[in-house]
Amino acid sequence: DSGVTQTPKHLITATGQRVTLRCSPRSGDLSVYWYQQSLDQGLQFLIQYYNGEERAKGNILERFSAQQFPDLHSELNLSSLELGDSALYFCASSVGGQGETQYFGPGTRLLVL
Amino acid sequence: AQSVAQPEDQVNVAEGNPLTVKCTYSVSGNPYLFWYVQYPNRGLQFLLKYITGDNLVKGSYGFEAEFNKSQTSFHLKKPSALVSDSALYFCAVRDPNSGYSTLTFGKGTMLLVSP
Repeated sequence: DSGVTQTPKHLITATGQRVTLRCSPRSGDLSVYWYQQSLDQGLQFLIQYYNGEERAKGNILERFSAQQFPDLHSELNLSSLELGDSALYFCASSVGGQGETQYFGPGTRLLVL
Repeated sequence: AQSVAQPEDQVNVAEGNPLTVKCTYSVSGNPYLFWYVQYPNRGLQFLLKYITGDNLVKGSYGFEAEFNKSQTSFHLKKPSALVSDSALYFCAVRDPNSGYSTLTFGKGTMLLVSP
């Protein structure tokens, strides 16, 4: 158990809908990262927050957004969902310094029908 | 830009034999390198990392990796494989000159250890 929690574990929804994925980092970690894992794209970095501020952006679609709250938990919002958005979404956290290890949550499996 | 390659989609090894999972990287400066393992329906688990210092890094579950700067490689090794080592292995790289902590992952290598 990494100490990173993600809810829900599974999510089934329809095209065009909007969903919110939630992540709680390990105690003491200030950075939160979101990744998407799919069979064809592999593990893709989406976005990073550090202590409430956006720190880095990767291959995140404009239909997706995220935020980190004062208690350091983070939410990833996915809107206007398409079939191709079906994937595993992972959250990871780290202390926030140089060379630090990222610890991953168990993931949310999203299925868009 | 940073990148990492795992040239093998799958590695097969018999239990008790040594295993190697290959990884090569590309960064502009000195890299930070990581190995993670993913078991079915689970998140990624950290195995080991190289930041600086000794080129041979020891990690969890008896795994080790050797940093080779001239060959830009960071291969994962274990002297004696276990069936329970069967999983998906990811190599990741970070360019410390980027200023941020983003990791770039390889596509993963499936390790299958047969009894």
